[in-house]
Amino acid sequence: GAVVSQHPSWVICKSGTSVKIECRSLDFQATTMFWYRQFPKQSLMLMATSNEGSKATYEQGVEKDKFLINHASLTLSTLTVTSAHPEDSSFYICSARELWAGGLYNEQFFGPGTRLTVL
Amino acid sequence: QKEVEQNSGPLSVPEGAIASLNCTYSDRGSQSFFWYRQYSGKSPELIMSIYSNGDKEDGRFTAQLNKASQYVSLLIRDSQPSDSATYLCAVNKGHQRRNTPLVFGKGTRLSVIA
Repeated sequence: GAVVSQHPSWVICKSGTSVKIECRSLDFQATTMFWYRQFPKQSLMLMATSNEGSKATYEQGVEKDKFLINHASLTLSTLTVTSAHPEDSSFYICSARELWAGGLYNEQFFGPGTRLTVL
Repeated sequence: QKEVEQNSGPLSVPEGAIASLNCTYSDRGSQSFFWYRQYSGKSPELIMSIYSNGDKEDGRFTAQLNKASQYVSLLIRDSQPSDSATYLCAVNKGHQRRNTPLVFGKGTRLSVIA
């Protein structure tokens, strides 16, 4: 299967600082990447859809000015949590979909996730 | 009605038994279906995909799809304690564009008792 990496795997930061998380598709091109957040013992929550070369699409209730997404190339998307607060502490997971001509049968491949702790 | 529904569990089965995980979906035009496994503290991992009615087998895993009933299931034969995880059902809706995410169920927690 396709490989998606994330960096860092975990980060601890002070309240008020910004944290950048990178998501890379290692062996395929991804026009679209998705960012999820998951709190302990809860289900995946889609935050936003990141499209290469265009603005991200955010889910309802997700602050786009707080969670900045940049999809600079077909293999890299970044999520920046600005002015982080303790309530932003969570498991952030990116997912990528391979660039296919057909488009119907696209699996999503997940990165290993980034655990963010805001003190 | 939720788009993808799963019983949250926990589903407990003894080691060596068959675990049966079920999922229903609401969009009759859905085209492709996936099962992901998520261990506690880890990200989801794709384990099965199925596109046509019937069964698809891969090792100890069998995915079953019935589009008429809008039902997809995952069977795990000879269950092992290492299979204990949350299993997520995901659906790619009909006429879905590339930049539309899969629709995930909330997952079923499976516990295999040694």
